[in-house]
Amino acid sequence: ETGVTQSPTHLIKTRGQQVTLRCSSQSGHNTVSWYQQALGQGPQFIFQYYREEENGRGNFPPRFSGLQFPNYSSELNVNALELDDSALYLCASRAWGFGTGELFFGEGSRLTVL
Amino acid sequence: GQNIDQPTEMTATEGAIVQINCTYQTSGFNGLFWYQQHAGEAPTFLSYNVLDGLEEKGRFSSFLSRSKGYSYLLLKELQMKDSASYLCAVRDQNGANNLFFGTGTRLTVIP
Repeated sequence: ETGVTQSPTHLIKTRGQQVTLRCSSQSGHNTVSWYQQALGQGPQFIFQYYREEENGRGNFPPRFSGLQFPNYSSELNVNALELDDSALYLCASRAWGFGTGELFFGEGSRLTVL
Repeated sequence: GQNIDQPTEMTATEGAIVQINCTYQTSGFNGLFWYQQHAGEAPTFLSYNVLDGLEEKGRFSSFLSRSKGYSYLLLKELQMKDSASYLCAVRDQNGANNLFFGTGTRLTVIP
């Protein structure tokens, strides 16, 4: 069974640029959530995708957007990067409607904005 | 909205017992999760409570009181490898059962 994988693991961007982060969900999972985790903080919910549609969103501006593909993989796009966007971005998947619904996390993509 | 509170840091001795508390306020409670996160790694699932009471899993136990909006994670026979952040998260049934995390409690186990 393949776990959640994310790419890239580390990247550096400058303010104003755009970034795309990618995530492959765990086998058998149909729901993907994205979180932003600043240093020393808990993960902050960005949004969730189910059946290729966003079905939940946290308190993040529209420049944070995403996609889910038919194979349940997902992308997080951030436009007009700001210094405060520097964080670890975690992707998590789960099987909607099965079991306890716990999230399984990838190792994250660490974004640094200069 | 959701409000989740947990202590920022705790220190405990190897072999001892430690209790990490979490209080929450949410409009549509549908379960509480505890995750462990070692520095630089992904969070990993520890426990889940949706009904009141204690759930035991080896050295780890988690308790929930829905009426009080309160949970705790109990770690017994502490080991050095238990040094990590412990994240309390509540699932909100309003809006697709999304999971919202607290800031985490950084536990340091000392010899």
